[in-house]
Order: sequence, then structure tokens, then C-alpha cells
Amino acid sequence: DAKTTQPPSMDCAEGRAANLPCNHSTISGNEYVYWYRQIHSQGPQYIIHGLKNNETNEMASLIITEDRKSSTLILPHATLRDTAVYYCIVRLRMDSSYKLIFGSGTRLLVRP
Amino acid sequence: SAVISQKPSRDICQRGTSLTIQCQVDSQVTMMFWYRQQPGQSLTLIATANQGSEATYESGFVIDKFPISRPNLTFSTLTVSNMSPEDSSIYLCSVEAVASGRFFGPGTRLTVL
Repeated sequence: DAKTTQPPSMDCAEGRAANLPCNHSTISGNEYVYWYRQIHSQGPQYIIHGLKNNETNEMASLIITEDRKSSTLILPHATLRDTAVYYCIVRLRMDSSYKLIFGSGTRLLVRP
Repeated sequence: SAVISQKPSRDICQRGTSLTIQCQVDSQVTMMFWYRQQPGQSLTLIATANQGSEATYESGFVIDKFPISRPNLTFSTLTVSNMSPEDSSIYLCSVEAVASGRFFGPGTRLTVL
């Protein structure tokens, strides 16, 4: 019961910004949005996460709408190595921790 | 960050047999999880490995099929029992490291003939 919706695939040109959208309309007030990516045959790699403010790190920026029902992951200057499946995940609270339930993700192809 | 290793990295097994997958972390972690990724699919959470107690399984997964152990803070095993071709998947270990976040291992690629 993934709580996110993503387009199945996208592409962008190398050197351009890649903007990956995600809908999470049923998100609760204390649930975080996480982004991971999975390069072919490897374990998922953490990218970024946020609650309600926009976030930026060395890999990407995360823009969360004011109503928190959607977000966008931005890779500012995509490279060929950014070709991967990108997962937008809503972190679900457990008793003493939380669990990450993966949706189907977006397959991003960066073109030369 | 936590460095996670899994053994074996891949295996080919016969129907009806069992395989135990090991997950070792280089530092103490609070939580450990096991995921399955079937061919061409996303990751599905199998269970939370609890130290010193029975694992907590997600809907559709049972202990008889996927027994899990976690004897200490850095090690866990997942056994895939009485395997069938439908169990062919990548099995991934994931850990929650204190103040560092959630990390994933490289996965174990299992093929059942």
C-alpha cells in the first residue's frame, strides 16, 4: 500500500535539470517524504528527505508543495550516471521506528 | 554511514531446498529489515528483524517460509525455505543507523530452478 504516485519513466538531456514529480495526497502531518534511487542491480541509495520545507544537499533538491500533497526531486545538472530508478517514499511510523514502503518508482534515462 | 555486506551475493538453487542469506553491518544499528525485489519490480518489505525476539512480518509473508534471525546489533539472517521458481528475486538487507539514516545492502540475487 504505497502512498505515492510517480510517472513510470522520464528522460532528460545530459547537463540539464531533471525534475521528477511525486504525488502523495494522503500524507499525514508527521510523515516525511524520502527519495532513493536504484542504479541497475545495486541496492537503493539515499538521496534526500524532507517534511515540509524545501531541502537541498550535494546530490539534489527537494521541493515540497505547501499542502504537502506533492513534491519534486530536482537533479540540477543530470549526468549519464544519474540514469536509475527513482523512488519517492512516504515514511510510515512504526512503534519505535519507521518503515519505508516503496512504490513503483520513475525510471529516469539521461540522454547524451 | 553504515557499510552493509551480504552473503552470498548470488546463488542458483534447486526447487525444494532452502538458502540462508547473511547480512553484516560494520556498526551497531537500531533496526534491520529484509526486502524482496522480484524481476522488474519494486522493493517489497518482508519483515523487520528484531534483536532477541521474533521478526515482525508484513502481510503476505510468514515465518515458516522466511525465518529470520538477529542475534546481535550487527548481524541478521534471512532463510528462504522450500524454494520454488517464484522465489527467484533479489533479497536486500536494510539497516537504520543511529543519526545516519536508512541504508541498503548490495543484495543477494537468487535464482531457483
